Amino acid sequence: DTEVTQTPKHLVMGMTNKKSLKCEQHMGHRAMYWYKQKAKKPPELMFVYSYEKLSINESVPSRFSPECPNSSLLNLHLHALQPEDSALYLCASSQRGFNSPLHFGNGTRLTVT
Amino acid sequence: GQQVMQIPQYQHVQEGEDFTTYCNSSTTLSNIQWYKQRPGGHPVFLIQLVKSGEVKKQKRLTFQFGEAKKNSSLHITATQTTDVGTYFCAGPSGNTPLVFGKGTRLSVIA
Repeated sequence: DTEVTQTPKHLVMGMTNKKSLKCEQHMGHRAMYWYKQKAKKPPELMFVYSYEKLSINESVPSRFSPECPNSSLLNLHLHALQPEDSALYLCASSQRGFNSPLHFGNGTRLTVT
Repeated sequence: GQQVMQIPQYQHVQEGEDFTTYCNSSTTLSNIQWYKQRPGGHPVFLIQLVKSGEVKKQKRLTFQFGEAKKNSSLHITATQTTDVGTYFCAGPSGNTPLVFGKGTRLSVIA
């Protein structure tokens, strides 16, 4: 069981589609993250929100657009993706920031056709 | 930038054998964290080490943090099939986000 909930679990989208990934946590954590993970690779940081403000963008292409509506929710808006963007997208939260352990959601397995 | 190296990349063991994975950072770490990811699953936090030379145990798992806070190890005694997965170390350096090692994939042959 995980305390970070991600939806959907699976997503197949075409290169012209617009879709959104959603993440929710109710642990009172103040930092939330999006990671991308390719098969047999470690998670790769995309974005960090700290106290609902975007604090880190790891040079992610603009076709990925994060949003943090409140301290419990994190979205990732997807538009005009490429097949190479197919991956497992993981949301995570931490209590205080980088020194605190990450709690990952189950992830969304994204396939871009 | 900070790099975290992890070896070995793969390890195949017979059930009951011991297993160790090693993690080395190019910079001094604020702390070291270990995660386990089962096949088809998501990373799950195992433990965090903060102090230089710290050793922590969780049942058959022993975690060590080096004196210089640049290296760490995870040792599993008498592996079981439930230990199968990829073990990642990760560490922040100063005020930077966690950098993950490439992971060690453990397979256990019953």
